[in-house]
Amino acid sequence: KQEVTQIPAALSVPEGENLVLNCSFTDSAIYNLQWFRQDPGKGLTSLLLIQSSQREQTSGRLNASLDKSSGRSTLYIAASQPGDSATYLCAPNQAGTALIFGKGTTLSVSS
Amino acid sequence: EADIYQTPRYLVIGTGKKITLECSQTMGHDKMYWYQQDPGMELHLIHYSYGVNSTEKGDLSSESTVSRIRTEHFPLTLESARPSHTSQYLCASRSGGYYNEQFFGPGTRLTVL
Repeated sequence: KQEVTQIPAALSVPEGENLVLNCSFTDSAIYNLQWFRQDPGKGLTSLLLIQSSQREQTSGRLNASLDKSSGRSTLYIAASQPGDSATYLCAPNQAGTALIFGKGTTLSVSS
Repeated sequence: EADIYQTPRYLVIGTGKKITLECSQTMGHDKMYWYQQDPGMELHLIHYSYGVNSTEKGDLSSESTVSRIRTEHFPLTLESARPSHTSQYLCASRSGGYYNEQFFGPGTRLTVL
């Protein structure tokens, strides 16, 4: 059964820092992996979808990489801003099942 | 832009009441999902549907039931609410094959007194 681990569980940084969020998963037989953002008490907002055949995917200040064989993905956030404060979730996608989630990384960016 | 609607957004109700959480999407997605999320915890899949008249239970056991009579509508029902049902319920949908992006609604925060 797929298990997802996100490290660190929480992260506090000053505004302007570049940061990396890590995601690891136990079963590498995935179609793709999605990164989401969740604000407190809200739903999930899709940030990036990276297919298993891709190594990287970029959207604005966000860059996601995927190493399927080693079961790892990273989300790189450039020049962090207070508005980036949220919980970030990764979810690998396998055949025959829904997305599987870890507990996420809670990011706090101070001004 | 994905449009998934959930109503109500917040619900406080007494024990024993029957409730229905509504979820609708306007994209014609065939796959729809219900997740449950306790505060500070990960999302757990409780129900999913791959099309009209298709429903399956997810990984987390739930006393709720679902129906899929129309493509755009995937309501979740609790026949008799209990305090243990207090949680956030998130609806999601995706079109076609597994290569496509999954979108989430804003969630319903349920409190059972």
